[in-house]
Amino acid sequence: DAKTTQPPSMDCAEGRAANLPCNHSTISGNEYVYWYRQIHSQGPQYIIHGLKNNETNEMASLIITEDRKSSTLILPHATLRDTAVYYCIVRVASGGYQKVTFGTGTKLQVIP
Amino acid sequence: EAGVAQSPRYKIIEKRQSVAFWCNPISGHATLYWYQQILGQGPKLLIQFQNNGVVDDSQLPKDRFSAERLKGVDSTLKIQPAKLEDSAVYLCASSLRTGEDTEAFFGQGTRLTVV
Repeated sequence: DAKTTQPPSMDCAEGRAANLPCNHSTISGNEYVYWYRQIHSQGPQYIIHGLKNNETNEMASLIITEDRKSSTLILPHATLRDTAVYYCIVRVASGGYQKVTFGTGTKLQVIP
Repeated sequence: EAGVAQSPRYKIIEKRQSVAFWCNPISGHATLYWYQQILGQGPKLLIQFQNNGVVDDSQLPKDRFSAERLKGVDSTLKIQPAKLEDSAVYLCASSLRTGEDTEAFFGQGTRLTVV
């Protein structure tokens, strides 16, 4: 399985951009990078995913390095409601199906 | 669209008792996942179904845990007998298929406390 490494915690001032890094140095060429977040007492919520190109949606932007060994999730204007644990996941191909395997994630605290 | 439904929301049982959790995935979703999330940890995949067939149960403690997905729709996860270390949130998720570019949608989870 391609492993991911994330810092255990980060702080961000409200209204500023939150940049959450993820290392996935063993990623294979056909494996996607996914980001989910989990707000306290809720199930994980999908944010964004990408393969090679940078991606943007209404929630966030995903920047993937050219060698695909790392990526950064950007929340452009963090709010208090963005306080959550953010998980970076590599979709693993195994036996013709995909596994969604979570690590320990980054706990983002948005500070007023 | 309706999300992934799970019940019950909370459950407290004594050790050695049995318990069952129910999940109704999003309509039309072929893939269903059960995860166990112990406090302070990320979710751990227990079992993955494609329609009504199991594609991965490598981390399911089969001596006490069982799961089924009748007719490829609803699913139940059972623990019998429960141990103290089974205290966790049990999350159900579903996705349209198992392709690399398919997101999974999660339910709110069932919080199990074994005393």
